Amino acid sequence: DIQMTQSPTSLSASVGDTVTITCRASQTISGFLNWYQQKPGKAPSLLIYTASKLQSGVPSRFSGSGSGTEFTLTISSLQPEDFAVYWCQHTYTNPYSFGPGTKLEIK
Amino acid sequence: QLQLQESGPGVVKPSETLSLTCAVSGDSMTSRQYYWAWIRQPPGKGLEWLGTVAYSWTSYYNPSLESRLTISLDTSKRQFSLRLSSATAADTAVYYCARHNIQINAYDFWGQGTVVSVSS
Repeated sequence: DIQMTQSPTSLSASVGDTVTITCRASQTISGFLNWYQQKPGKAPSLLIYTASKLQSGVPSRFSGSGSGTEFTLTISSLQPEDFAVYWCQHTYTNPYSFGPGTKLEIK
Repeated sequence: QLQLQESGPGVVKPSETLSLTCAVSGDSMTSRQYYWAWIRQPPGKGLEWLGTVAYSWTSYYNPSLESRLTISLDTSKRQFSLRLSSATAADTAVYYCARHNIQINAYDFWGQGTVVSVSS
């Protein structure tokens, strides 16, 4: 199985800041990496697919990059509604595992 | 707009079978573009991909659960289902159904989730 890691585990930032979350895979997953946002008591929602493509309706302050085993999610000019948990997930091969999550908190 | 809605018992006894259904509305279930998946999240923990069923009724399972898990599709009822046998406390979680959009290879729609507790 492919193992996914994320760093940092948690992150404190202020409105207007730019933050970056890193996701690493234990082996190459090409570009098959997705990012999701989850708010308390809600289901995850898709932000970025295949590493860098913005899902319809997602603000352009979210961006993704990477390939192979290392990927990043960048959120520019943080807004109050961006404070949530962020998950990466690969869809390269069964099982399509998720990273352990990064909690983004307001400083 | 696609909508997914999970339903099923909120409490299951240990050793019994956990059964959930996901009702699909607002879009086609038979398109080759979509698979249908289950994902769970134990309280305060991360997300675990359980498995998926394709339009061809072929199912793919997480190897860690494959011996206990069945995911099936009923397009006539516009729903897909999960059955997890021999439930234990470790199966206590919020269970989400989701659509795997093959064109973008990502889970683009999710149900709101349903809480299942395995307890006597």
